[in-house]
Amino acid sequence: GAVVSQHPSWVICKSGTSVKIECRSLDFQATTMFWYRQFPKQSLMLMATSNEGSKATYEQGVEKDKFLINHASLTLSTLTVTSAHPEDSSFYICSATRAGSVDEQYFGPGTRLTVT
Amino acid sequence: AQSVSQHNHHVILSEAASLELGCNYSYGGTVNLFWYVQYPGQHLQLLLKYFSGDPLVKGIKGFEAEFIKSKFSFNLRKPSVQWSDTAEYFCAVNVLDSSYKLIFGSGTRLLVRP
Repeated sequence: GAVVSQHPSWVICKSGTSVKIECRSLDFQATTMFWYRQFPKQSLMLMATSNEGSKATYEQGVEKDKFLINHASLTLSTLTVTSAHPEDSSFYICSATRAGSVDEQYFGPGTRLTVT
Repeated sequence: AQSVSQHNHHVILSEAASLELGCNYSYGGTVNLFWYVQYPGQHLQLLLKYFSGDPLVKGIKGFEAEFIKSKFSFNLRKPSVQWSDTAEYFCAVNVLDSSYKLIFGSGTRLLVRP
């Protein structure tokens, strides 16, 4: 149990366009979802924390108007990178916690975004 | 601000060698501690975790870690590595405030030579 999926697994978009990444908890209800980005050969950096039905909490330095997070249900959170630029190219990873086990996060496989 | 330090960025070992990866964190309060592994092309997987109790925790695939509170450390160990252990290893700390955020170390890339 505790499987998290992401879609798409990779995406290429042109500079100036927007791209949406989905994160789903497949077999549990996610009380909280987290979005991370990972640059090549670097660690995961938390971007934001989202709870279903409320606004996401962004980490310092993360532009909330550029990285739009919607957590519409207990099994789905989306990250939209608006007006993407090449420097947004990265690996975006989501994770989720479930009720009764909020200390442990279950990670998705990640989405590789390349902005040309 | 809380931080996690992993001192070894790259480690190369031969099969059957023993492994110890260092992890130190900076936070004076109560924390949960984790080690995650990321195999090439795969997503993060939990190796082991420490919440409370016995400071020596055992995880999957023969890994273990010891929490030493006085040293703010949570080092990962394995007595005898295998080629299949080639991966990147991340230490992470979860500060027990209301946000349950995970703070990751910079990772250690392990290469095990057959």
